[in-house]
Amino acid sequence: DAGVTQSPTHLIKTRGQQVTLRCSPKSGHDTVSWYQQALGQGPQFIFQYYEEEERQRGNFPDRFSGHQFPNYSSELNVNALLLGDSALYLCASSLAVTGGNEQFFGPGTRLTVL
Amino acid sequence: AQTVTQSQPEMSVQEAETVTLSCTYDTSENNYYLFWYKQPPSRQMILVIRQEAYKQQNATENRFSVNFQKAAKSFSLKISDSQLGDTAMYFCAFIVFGNEKLTFGTGTRLTIIP
Repeated sequence: DAGVTQSPTHLIKTRGQQVTLRCSPKSGHDTVSWYQQALGQGPQFIFQYYEEEERQRGNFPDRFSGHQFPNYSSELNVNALLLGDSALYLCASSLAVTGGNEQFFGPGTRLTVL
Repeated sequence: AQTVTQSQPEMSVQEAETVTLSCTYDTSENNYYLFWYKQPPSRQMILVIRQEAYKQQNATENRFSVNFQKAAKSFSLKISDSQLGDTAMYFCAFIVFGNEKLTFGTGTRLTIIP
């Protein structure tokens, strides 16, 4: 049973560029949440997707957008990258009927903005 | 707003000893879940233990147990017979039932000394 997978593992971009991160949920899960973890901090909730729609959003600007596909996989897009966007981006999947109390995390994508 | 506070940025303990990590939280909700996650250097966020707020009995998972004090909004993690593989960042987190957004603390870096 494959767990949550994310790609790429590492990414280096320059300021102003755009980036797309990808996530495949655990088999059987239908909900994907994205978190940003800055160095030395706890993860911060970006947004959550269910049934191909954004269901909840944290305190992040519109430069952060996402998408969920019919197979439940998801993408996180960040436009006009800033130095402060450098972080570990974590994807978590869950099953909607559990109310989100069982979220399984992927290994993350380390984004470095130069 | 919900918040989670971990007041111990770093801790270290000898192998085989017992260690307790502290966590306090603040919420006006009554139905929620509390979690301890472990994040080793590999970056994968791993669920250690979960506690439902409506349950008075403290959760236990092998060497890991919690002390849940709902009135005091306290949720500490006790690791017994600590092992080298327990070395990691530990994050306390909680979720309001139905909200599905995890709120994390800033973490405690735990080092097990051989």
